[in-house]
Amino acid sequence: QKEVEQNSGPLSVPEGAIASLNCTYSDRGSQSFFWYRQYSGKSPELIMFIYSNGDKEDGRFTAQLNKASQYVSLLIRDSQPSDSATYLCAVNLNKLSFGAGTTVTVRA
Amino acid sequence: GAVVSQHPSWVICKSGTSVKIECRSLDFQATTMFWYRQFPKQSLMLMATSNEGSKATYEQGVEKDKFLINHASLTLSTLTVTSAHPEDSSFYICSARTGTGREKLFFGSGTQLSVL
Repeated sequence: QKEVEQNSGPLSVPEGAIASLNCTYSDRGSQSFFWYRQYSGKSPELIMFIYSNGDKEDGRFTAQLNKASQYVSLLIRDSQPSDSATYLCAVNLNKLSFGAGTTVTVRA
Repeated sequence: GAVVSQHPSWVICKSGTSVKIECRSLDFQATTMFWYRQFPKQSLMLMATSNEGSKATYEQGVEKDKFLINHASLTLSTLTVTSAHPEDSSFYICSARTGTGREKLFFGSGTQLSVL
């Protein structure tokens, strides 16, 4: 079992819709969870981090963490074409484990 | 967020030559930095963990004599690709871990290496 798993997509949503990305992880002791956005040919950019169960909102982004079920999700509200990118889920920090990424395409 | 500077952004070199890539944390001290490699349309692959003042820890399958890592100060880590070959052509990305409170990881802008 991979340490971090994501649906590779692509996930296509119309402009203005909600994009929902999911991530599951295997290490039940994981404490830190991150979402990075990576545009083609660019390095990853940290967009959200969450440490506690529940929801965390930042602008149009909401991260949701459920440690009992070992999943973390990212919601992008009012999706814009500029949100089209690959989104990487990452878990822990001593040795950060990345998912393979979910490619999101927002249709204008 | 914290700023991590990586240089150069891209480099083209001849086969057999060596290339050095620098990674600097500009506004924080990073005792630990990481080096990743990414091939087109693939996920990040951790190559090694660089610890200030000590030897780097390499992931399985990564040749330590080919990918030389030096972390001589709290703000600078370098990766040298020695005797580069075309198969080493890739996107190399460094990252640095902040050490204050809740730690986070920030990435450099990446270096696109093309070996002819």
